[in-house]
Amino acid sequence: EAGVTQFPSHSVIEKGQTVTLRCDPISGHDNLYWYRRVMGKEIKFLLHFVKESKQDESGMPNNRFLAERTGGTYSTLKVQPAELEDSGVYFCASSQDLNKAFYGYTFGSGTRLTVV
Amino acid sequence: DQQVKQNSPSLSVQEGRISILNCDYTNSMFDYFLWYKKYPAEGPTFLISISSIKDKNEDGRFTVFLNKSAKHLSLHIVPSQPGDSAVYFCAASAIGTYKYIFGTGTRLKVLA
Repeated sequence: EAGVTQFPSHSVIEKGQTVTLRCDPISGHDNLYWYRRVMGKEIKFLLHFVKESKQDESGMPNNRFLAERTGGTYSTLKVQPAELEDSGVYFCASSQDLNKAFYGYTFGSGTRLTVV
Repeated sequence: DQQVKQNSPSLSVQEGRISILNCDYTNSMFDYFLWYKKYPAEGPTFLISISSIKDKNEDGRFTVFLNKSAKHLSLHIVPSQPGDSAVYFCAASAIGTYKYIFGTGTRLKVLA
């Protein structure tokens, strides 16, 4: 079974530019999550999709961030325009169901975003 | 306001000894707690979990203890192995939500 795949693994962009991150969850996983780790701090929740619907987007920092999951398969996270404080590692995770008495999410390897 | 705190940024332990990683939380509505392990350039990997109705869960060399009155949990690794060297994150989820609140991580180094 393929794991959670994220593209690109690294991205360096200038302040004011646009970047789009992509996540392919494990096949059949309806739940997809985006998290972010900034400057070696805690890993912070951004949002949660159930299929193509946004279940919880309480962690999205501001309206420069747009997440989509058309068709309920892969997801994209667009940052436009990027600011210096957006630098960090963006993780995507997926899970098959919402039963918390389970093994936890499966995370991707992350996209390291550097805004200069 | 950090709801999940890992106050030790790093820990070094001799191979074969016990590693104890600690985590404190403030939200009494957390019903599940997890530990994740993270190697450099990889995503976090699930290690072990515990429900708030339990006080201990064991899986091989890994045991998680939960003290609800103290709002404290700990991860014990016995015996520690060099391959356990990684960053360990404590995470918690509140009743009715499916997102996890993570701590800042503790870097464990197991010395051979």
